[in-house]
Amino acid sequence: GAGVSQSPSNKVTEKGKDVELRCDPISGHTALYWYRQSLGQGLEFLIYFQGNSAPDKSGLPSDRFSAERTGGSVSTLTIQRTQQEDSAVYLCATMTPGTGSYEQYFGPGTRLTVT
Amino acid sequence: AQSVTQPDIHITVSEGASLELRCNYSYGATPYLFWYVQSPGQGLQLLLKYFSGDTLVQGIKGFEAEFKRSQSSFNLRKPSVHWSDAAEYFCAVTGGSYIPTFGRGTSLIVHP
Repeated sequence: GAGVSQSPSNKVTEKGKDVELRCDPISGHTALYWYRQSLGQGLEFLIYFQGNSAPDKSGLPSDRFSAERTGGSVSTLTIQRTQQEDSAVYLCATMTPGTGSYEQYFGPGTRLTVT
Repeated sequence: AQSVTQPDIHITVSEGASLELRCNYSYGATPYLFWYVQSPGQGLQLLLKYFSGDTLVQGIKGFEAEFKRSQSSFNLRKPSVHWSDAAEYFCAVTGGSYIPTFGRGTSLIVHP
């Protein structure tokens, strides 16, 4: 079956521009996560959506970052007024809570380069 | 608060040699522990997980890990490494929250 997909795979943008990153989850997975992976820094949690509940935004590094999830499916991560330190790989993961698994399924990521 | 330490940034092994990647966690109660692997240009894939029961868990691709509560460790092992095992390995912990904490990762380099 189809896994988690992300688009674009690569994005180069100029400092100060806005970018939108997209995540298409596995069908039926109600939980969706965004992570940021910087070189040598591991995975940094950004935001967590679960069903119709209010998202957990505790990991968003600044108010330039926002995310939404429409209809419990596709999610978009938006970075406004990009800065060079935003350059990283942005990973999306999905899961079905309540099954006792806790396994996250990751997309291939979007590599963002801010010039 | 939960945290994970992977003390080795890089590990280099020869093909056919055994492998052990270290992971130490911090959590007050019984944790849920995971190992993920990330091949170049790809997302993370679950190798194995520990929730309870037998402290030695088997995973995919011939990997295993042992939970040692007394040492707060969950080290990943493989008896004979293949060149295709070269990748980034991440340990993760959660205490039941659906938001796990990941370690910084260990990069495995395999020499022929």
